[in-house]
Amino acid sequence: DAKTTQPPSMDCAEGRAANLPCNHSTISGNEYVYWYRQIHSQGPQYIIHGLKNNETNEMASLIITEDRKSSTLILPHATLRDTAVYYCIVRVNTNAGKSTFGDGTTLTVKP
Amino acid sequence: KAGVTQTPRYLIKTRGQQVTLSCSPISGHRSVSWYQQTPGQGLQFLFEYFSETQRNKGNFPGRFSGRQFSNSRSEMNVSTLELGDSALYLCASSLQGEPNYGYTFGSGTRLTVV
Repeated sequence: DAKTTQPPSMDCAEGRAANLPCNHSTISGNEYVYWYRQIHSQGPQYIIHGLKNNETNEMASLIITEDRKSSTLILPHATLRDTAVYYCIVRVNTNAGKSTFGDGTTLTVKP
Repeated sequence: KAGVTQTPRYLIKTRGQQVTLSCSPISGHRSVSWYQQTPGQGLQFLFEYFSETQRNKGNFPGRFSGRQFSNSRSEMNVSTLELGDSALYLCASSLQGEPNYGYTFGSGTRLTVV
C-alpha cells in the first residue's frame, strides 16, 4: 500500500468548510484513496473513497488531483461533532482488509 | 441494520493469561479484519479473515491468533499476555470484492493487562 502524508493537526471554525489534505505521491494506478475518521474512544468510521474521479456523498467530498498524487477531503459545513482524527489511506481494493493507518490529522472544530 | 458488535467492551487480565475477543460482523459481510490501537503505535493491522480463511496477516507475534466461523463471526486470541498488549482491539467488516464499500468498525474491546 502506498504511504500517505497528512498534517498532524488543523483547526476549523464551526459552519465553515474543512479542507483536509493528503499526499500520496507513490500511489499506483489500481490503488484507491479512502478516508476514515475516528472520534475519541470509538472505532474508525468510513467517510468516502475514490479512484480518480471526484466523489461526493452525504458526509463529504473527495477531490483527487489529476496526477492522483494528492487528495483533499472536504467537509462543507463543519460542526463540533466533526472534531476527530481523520485518516487518509491508499490501498488496492482487492487487498481489502489490510489497511495501513498513518497518524492522521486531528481536526478541531471551534465554535 | 445492526452494526459490528464486539464483546466484551472492557477486559482486565494479568500477565501470562490468555484472552479471547469476539466480533460479530454486519449481516452479509464475509470479510472481518482485526486491528490493535495503542497510543504509541496507532492503528495496526493484525489479520483478516474471509470465508473462514486467514487471507492477510500483519506483523504480530504468533501469540496473536484468530479464526472465523461459518456464520462469519470471528474471534481473536492472545496467549501469554504481556503488559504491552494493553490496547483497544478493533474489528471491522466489509462486503468482499465490492469497491463501493469501506469497512465498518465496531466500538472495540479495551484490554488492560496488569
